[in-house]
Amino acid sequence: NAGVTQTPKFQVLKTGQSMTLQCAQDMNHNSMYWYRQDPGMGLRLIYYSASEGTTDKGEVPNGYNVSRLNKREFSLRLESAAPSQTSVYFCASSLPTGGDGELFFGEGSRLTVL
Amino acid sequence: GESVGLHLPTLSVQEGDNSIINCAYSNSASDYFIWYKQESGKGPQFIIDIRSNMDKRQGQRVTVLLNKTVKHLSLQIAATQPGDSAVYFCAENIDQAGTALIFGKGTTLSVSS
Repeated sequence: NAGVTQTPKFQVLKTGQSMTLQCAQDMNHNSMYWYRQDPGMGLRLIYYSASEGTTDKGEVPNGYNVSRLNKREFSLRLESAAPSQTSVYFCASSLPTGGDGELFFGEGSRLTVL
Repeated sequence: GESVGLHLPTLSVQEGDNSIINCAYSNSASDYFIWYKQESGKGPQFIIDIRSNMDKRQGQRVTVLLNKTVKHLSLQIAATQPGDSAVYFCAENIDQAGTALIFGKGTTLSVSS
């Protein structure tokens, strides 16, 4: 059972380039999330999708877009990458519609923007 | 055992000691809280959760205490082991619709033999 799978695990971009982080879960969870983690800042919520067909902004949505492609997949897109977006990105999912339950996290995607 | 004040980013203990990690949450309306453990290079993993109608909940070697009066949450780890070394995060459900968790900044626990 793979759980939550993120790709790519590592990526280096130049300022202004675009890219998409992919996330898929095989647990039939309703809710999916994207967090970023920076040193000393903990995990900050970028966007979430409480259920298929819906997306909402989190704490730090600026510079990102998301797509809930289907129940399994939730992608995060950086249209024009900036050095401030250098971070480790985590995708997560949960069974209930909402945050009232355990989040299952992927292994993370380390992004460096030069 | 060791106890720490609020918001300390690091905690160092000896193997076998009891550890206490503290967390202050922001929203008095939050009704659900979780503790996560994150080992180096990995995603966070669920440890234990508690709802606001409870003051205490116990798991295997871990206990979570909730003080709603001062908006304070703590994680107690009994007989700390080297494998407990990790970063520990508390998280609160700030959205009354129950749609997302917000995480604290984390405490790094180091256990020496």
